[in-house]
Amino acid sequence: AQSVTQLDSQVPVFEEAPVELRCNYSSSVSVYLFWYVQYPNQGLQLLLKYLSGSTLVKGINGFEAEFNKSQTSFHLRKPSVHISDTAEYFCAVSDLKSSNAGNMLTFGGGTRLMVKP
Amino acid sequence: EADIYQTPRYLVIGTGKKITLECSQTMGHDKMYWYQQDPGMELHLIHYSYGVNSTEKGDLSSESTVSRIRTEHFPLTLESARPSHTSQYLCASSTRTGVGYTFGSGTRLTVV
Repeated sequence: AQSVTQLDSQVPVFEEAPVELRCNYSSSVSVYLFWYVQYPNQGLQLLLKYLSGSTLVKGINGFEAEFNKSQTSFHLRKPSVHISDTAEYFCAVSDLKSSNAGNMLTFGGGTRLMVKP
Repeated sequence: EADIYQTPRYLVIGTGKKITLECSQTMGHDKMYWYQQDPGMELHLIHYSYGVNSTEKGDLSSESTVSRIRTEHFPLTLESARPSHTSQYLCASSTRTGVGYTFGSGTRLTVV
């Protein structure tokens, strides 16, 4: 079974400061990794995903994440945040099983990013 | 534009009423999912479907039921709403072999 841990439930940060949202996972098989963003009263929107290849993945809105297999981590970073980045961020993992049960996403508990002026 | 549609966006309803939350997708995705999201953000899988006439219960026990008669449609029904059902409900879909989900905008349900 796979699991995802988002180490921080809330991250306050000032505008234009850098931010890192942490995500660790556990799985007995190889995985795909995702970050989703949820703005108030909205559904989840895909920020970026790691499937294979380069471990540094760039997404929308200036976000990027780095897959670290040895540390089983997939931390999300942005060098300079804006007020509009205030939202909830979810890390998710999907196993690479080829069965019908494959592709089922397991979500972390979410991190609330609060950007202050 | 949204490829997966949830209606209504907001619903306030009295205890004991029967309600159906609608979810439709236009992408031809085989797999569909319902999540319940509590005020603390966490997402709980309550139902999923691998295709027409396939439905399964998720990790979180729920008094709701679902059906999948058409590929594009995955409604969720509560026979008798209770205040404990107050939550945000998110629908999602994915391809059979693809990766990642596409989410709808959610239905925020309040039972009074």
